[in-house]
Amino acid sequence: GIQVEQSPPDLILQEGANSTLRCNFSDSVNNLQWFHQNPWGQLINLFYIPSGTKQNGRLSATTVATERYSLLYISSSQTTDSGVYFCAVERPRGGATNKLIFGTGTLLAVQP
Amino acid sequence: EAQVTQNPRYLITVTGKKLTVTCSQNMNHEYMSWYRQDPGLGLRQIYYSMNVEVTDKGDVPEGYKVSRKEKRNFPLILESPSPNQTSLYFCASSSPSGSGEQYFGPGTRLTVT
Repeated sequence: GIQVEQSPPDLILQEGANSTLRCNFSDSVNNLQWFHQNPWGQLINLFYIPSGTKQNGRLSATTVATERYSLLYISSSQTTDSGVYFCAVERPRGGATNKLIFGTGTLLAVQP
Repeated sequence: EAQVTQNPRYLITVTGKKLTVTCSQNMNHEYMSWYRQDPGLGLRQIYYSMNVEVTDKGDVPEGYKVSRKEKRNFPLILESPSPNQTSLYFCASSSPSGSGEQYFGPGTRLTVT
């Protein structure tokens, strides 16, 4: 099956610093999403980005589908950015299962 | 507000006592799924539904049942819960005629003793 790898696995930042999280996937995908899981366990949708670039405030994401990777940029990090960031992909809907395949996540800790 | 809701958010129960976790979405989505999240194993799909009365097994369906009698609701049923079903559960929905983006509920933290 499709493999989704995220790097780095852990990241510690000082408040105000910038960071880049990477997601590599092993096959063509129909859907790619970035999520933030906060300390209370909730999965927050950040971006739906199967290709191209999007920005939302201090966060932006770029997916290069032909090279099978996506990047999540966090600028001017804040303590509330702490948590786990997941990349998740869905295969093309030939045999549709509506299944998102999640990467192992990047654990981010932003220190004041 | 477009959202997926789950209830209860937290539940502690005992082995063998039947329980139901409800899931409801107000976005008129056809597709709905249940996932469980476990340390070291990530998120795995339990069951999915492509529309009313159409459901199928995901990767880890053993010990679970689902039903889809209405488009907006997709309850997860544990007929006889066991401690290995202690987990964080998420319901999700999406529309094949839309972007395909999946929206997740807030999660249900279940402990079976």
